[in-house]
Amino acid sequence: DAGVTQSPTHLIKTRGQHVTLRCSPISGHKSVSWYQQVLGQGPQFIFQYYEKEERGRGNFPDRFSARQFPNYSSELNVNALLLGDSALYLCASSLELDRSGYTFGSGTRLTVV
Amino acid sequence: RKEVEQDPGPFNVPEGATVAFNCTYSNSASQSFFWYRQDCRKEPKLLMSVYSSGNEDGRFTAQLNRASQYISLLIRDSKLSDSATYLCGLNTGGFKTIFGAGTRLFVKA
Repeated sequence: DAGVTQSPTHLIKTRGQHVTLRCSPISGHKSVSWYQQVLGQGPQFIFQYYEKEERGRGNFPDRFSARQFPNYSSELNVNALLLGDSALYLCASSLELDRSGYTFGSGTRLTVV
Repeated sequence: RKEVEQDPGPFNVPEGATVAFNCTYSNSASQSFFWYRQDCRKEPKLLMSVYSSGNEDGRFTAQLNRASQYISLLIRDSKLSDSATYLCGLNTGGFKTIFGAGTRLFVKA
């Protein structure tokens, strides 16, 4: 079975540009969460989607948005990129909302120059 | 006070040693607890869930102390391959898991 797949794996963007990151959860998992991880820190929660509805939003600006599609895949969009948005963006798939642990994708490493 | 705190380390231990990490949390409503392992420049991988009664998986033992609001991870007979960053995660029954910054472990020959 395929695990959590994320694309692209690496991305370099210029300040002010827009980026779309994609994630496909494990088959049968209906919950997708997005995290940002900068070097030396733990993953920071951005969004959670469950059954195509937003169930939670972290402390990130409105430049960050996401959605989940009928097949449970998800996109994370970031507008007006800042240098500080450079990070590893992780997608996490889970079977239940809170009691099961996550399976993470290998992430998208975003560099903003 | 941070919601989840971990000693960043690094912990440098010889092969075969026993090492323990703690993770303290501030929200007493926290319901689900986890330990993840993260190798350098890789994604976190779920190591084990932490149950109220404690749980063990081979050389790894996790404990939960609700009264003092911390979870622990004990690694016995450390291997070189155990070198990694160990993240604790907790969920307050809502929609997100909160992670600590991680504890770095180096196991040396």
